[in-house]
Amino acid sequence: EDQVTQSPEALRLQEGESSSLNCSYTVSGLRGLFWYRQDPGKGPEFLFTLYSAGEEKEKERLKATLTKKESFLHITAPKPEDSATYLCAGGYNKLIFGAGTRLAVHP
Amino acid sequence: KAGVTQTPRYLIKTRGQQVTLSCSPISGHRSVSWYQQTPGQGLQFLFEYFSETQRNKGNFPGRFSGRQFSNSRSEMNVSTLELGDSALYLCASSLGMVGKNIQYFGAGTRLSVL
Repeated sequence: EDQVTQSPEALRLQEGESSSLNCSYTVSGLRGLFWYRQDPGKGPEFLFTLYSAGEEKEKERLKATLTKKESFLHITAPKPEDSATYLCAGGYNKLIFGAGTRLAVHP
Repeated sequence: KAGVTQTPRYLIKTRGQQVTLSCSPISGHRSVSWYQQTPGQGLQFLFEYFSETQRNKGNFPGRFSGRQFSNSRSEMNVSTLELGDSALYLCASSLGMVGKNIQYFGAGTRLSVL
């Protein structure tokens, strides 16, 4: 059965304290691995798509990487405005989402 | 460019009633997908429509149905509402094949079933 698992469930960081979020997947025929950010009461906001192992993408303080079994979202020197739930998803003809990592960044 | 628009934003219904939710995709996007988000189950795929045809379906009962119009706008219907249907319903649109193309989400419709 196709599955996407994220860890940790929740992460509390001090401002400036870098860390990584993990997304492991077992998805047949994975076409792309997607990262989204979701703020309370809002829909998911697209961050990155990764298509092949070894691929990396960066945006401001965020960097996403992909291997054959997992993806990481690295957050460098986070700020309080980075606080959100981060979701990863992948699939062949539909997206299967992980449960998300709730990130809280404190000043 | 306008994003994905969902209406209404909030709905309160009682058990046994039916409800229709609406989604207007980004201009030019022909694929519309619907998801249910709950605290316990997370984001779960309901179905996807492309050019007025249902292309994929998730594991939800037949009470959940949808359709897509020629202008790509989509509606989702839930009949005989149950308490467990209370959730945030999200619509997402993309240019083409889900799984490969970026899906852009609307703000969702919060449905409460009493």
